[in-house]
Amino acid sequence: DTAVSQTPKYLVTQMGNDKSIKCEQNLGHDTMYWYKQDSKKFLKIMFSYNNKELIINETVPNRFSPKSPDKAHLNLHINSLELGDSAVYFCASSQVPSALHFGNGTRLTVT
Amino acid sequence: AQSVTQLGSHVSVSEGALVLLRCNYSSSVPPYLFWYVQYPNQGLQLLLKYTTGATLVKGINGFEAEFKKSETSFHLTKPSAHMSDAAEYFCAVRVMIYNQGGKLIFGQGTELSVKP
Repeated sequence: DTAVSQTPKYLVTQMGNDKSIKCEQNLGHDTMYWYKQDSKKFLKIMFSYNNKELIINETVPNRFSPKSPDKAHLNLHINSLELGDSAVYFCASSQVPSALHFGNGTRLTVT
Repeated sequence: AQSVTQLGSHVSVSEGALVLLRCNYSSSVPPYLFWYVQYPNQGLQLLLKYTTGATLVKGINGFEAEFKKSETSFHLTKPSAHMSDAAEYFCAVRVMIYNQGGKLIFGQGTELSVKP
């Protein structure tokens, strides 16, 4: 069983569209995250939820809206996609203060 | 504020040679430190972590790292490189936030190449 699973794995869309990425973890962790990895492989945190409560929002444009319906799920909705949003988005979970467990990523390409 | 610096964006070694990937951190509190590996088109996999206790930590795939507070370093080593070790390696430090959670701050990554 996959511990942290994201869908879709690849997402190709045009500028201006709205898209969502879904994430689920079956590890029983309290905290979930979204990270963005840019073309230079740099990883930066976007959001963190702890027991469905938003804990971290790292100066991400308002076009990005996370939602956590329960502590096992964390989705990311992106409005009005821009070219600069092209990246790999990783979902992760942890039981603080242990290590993060990462999903396999969603490669978003905006054309 | 906590931060992580990985020295060398690319490291190339021959198969069977020592692997040394350098990581220095900055932290105002005792750090929790991690090394992750990322294979192409995959997510990040935890190699090892330091929280408290023994400063030499062993991880998966024969990797180990030593926490040196005096040098603010957490370098990753492996005695003998295998071709399968070729990947991107990330060092990270945990930042706690309001005791409700935390985040990992990652270094820039080091790409390890292994020559036959």
